[in-house]
Amino acid sequence: NAGVTQTPKFRILKIGQSMTLQCTQDMNHNYMYWYRQDPGMGLKLIYYSVGAGITDKGEVPNGYNVSRSTTEDFPLRLELAAPSQTSVYFCASGRTEAFFGQGTRLTVV
Amino acid sequence: GESVGLHLPTLSVQEGDNSIINCAYSNSASDYFIWYKQESGKGPQFIIDIRSNMDKRQGQRVTVLLNKTVKHLSLQIAATQPGDSAVYFCAEISDTGRRALTFGSGTRLQVQP
Repeated sequence: NAGVTQTPKFRILKIGQSMTLQCTQDMNHNYMYWYRQDPGMGLKLIYYSVGAGITDKGEVPNGYNVSRSTTEDFPLRLELAAPSQTSVYFCASGRTEAFFGQGTRLTVV
Repeated sequence: GESVGLHLPTLSVQEGDNSIINCAYSNSASDYFIWYKQESGKGPQFIIDIRSNMDKRQGQRVTVLLNKTVKHLSLQIAATQPGDSAVYFCAEISDTGRRALTFGSGTRLQVQP
């Protein structure tokens, strides 16, 4: 079982650059989430989706965008990267028993 | 609520002892409360959940207690093992308002051999 697959695992961006973090799940889950986790801290919700075509903001959406054109995919777009976006990003799917990807470690320099 | 800017509290226990990890939640309308375990360098992993109309649920070596009166959730781990060392997060989800899995502040569990 692939579960939740995130790519890339690591990325270094320069200030002002843009990138898309990919997330795919093969469990046919309607609920999908994006979180960021700063070192030694908890998970903050960026965006979430309760089904294809439906997305909504979480606690910290500024500087990010998402789309959900299919059940399987939930990409996260960073526009104009800033040092404050240096973090580990986790994608997850499922409602209560959520399955998490391995994370993307992003550094903005 | 979330302790923004504060690092995680640590609970240190001896191997074989029972561990109790506590969490205060904020949304009285949440339908489910869940515990996750996060090992170093990995994503969180589901442990156990409890519906809001229950006050206790048991799993394998773990028990979750819910006290809605004081908005408190706890995770009890019996006979704690070195493999239990991790960060533990409580989470909640509601069918109204923001229908998203929202995490609380975590606790680092260190098991001493």
